[in-house]
Amino acid sequence: GDSVTQMEGPVTLSEEAFLTINCTYTATGYPSLFWYVQYPGEGLQLLLKATKADDKGSNKGFEATYRKETTSFHLEKGSVQVSDSAVYFCALSDRQVTGGGNKLTFGTGTQLKVEL
Amino acid sequence: EPEVTQTPSHQVTQMGQEVILRCVPISNHLYFYWYRQILGQKVEFLVSFYNNEISEKSEIFDDQFSVERPDGSNFTLKIRSTKLEDSAMYFCASSEGTYTDTQYFGPGTRLTVL
Repeated sequence: GDSVTQMEGPVTLSEEAFLTINCTYTATGYPSLFWYVQYPGEGLQLLLKATKADDKGSNKGFEATYRKETTSFHLEKGSVQVSDSAVYFCALSDRQVTGGGNKLTFGTGTQLKVEL
Repeated sequence: EPEVTQTPSHQVTQMGQEVILRCVPISNHLYFYWYRQILGQKVEFLVSFYNNEISEKSEIFDDQFSVERPDGSNFTLKIRSTKLEDSAMYFCASSEGTYTDTQYFGPGTRLTVL
């Protein structure tokens, strides 16, 4: 079945440091890939997505490139801020031939803490 | 900006009691989902719902669970006889379409079973 593997957290960085959170996936089809963010006490918010190989998703300074050859979708940001402290979830949605919606399969989440 | 809403934000219940968690999806969305997140664990898919019927469900979604869209706006998750292990955060989500479309999540309902 489908699965998503994320790097273990927590990750603690100083403000303005470079961030990478690794994500690899296993899927039977051609999935769409997502990064969701969960701020303390809140629900899940979509951060970015990519729907086909070599697509790059970007938002709020975060980027991730869909790499089919390495089955990866690593999240990066060049300069993190304290306000980026949150839990980051990598997820995939596998394609279905017929309609009816499509479940998201999530990784375990990576907690990021950014300090001054 | 339209958003998914969920009520209540926190529900405490006794083991064996029935609970109904409520969600109002985004109005033009056609696909509805429930997920749960046990404390400290990953977010897990429970069920998807389209055109007034379940389109997919996970192994977690056993006979104790049911979903319903009782009117044009609400989408509910019922747990018939709660167990301690049902304690979790339950998220509702909705999307316009299928795999490429973003699922928008509500803020969640924290269910505590005593």
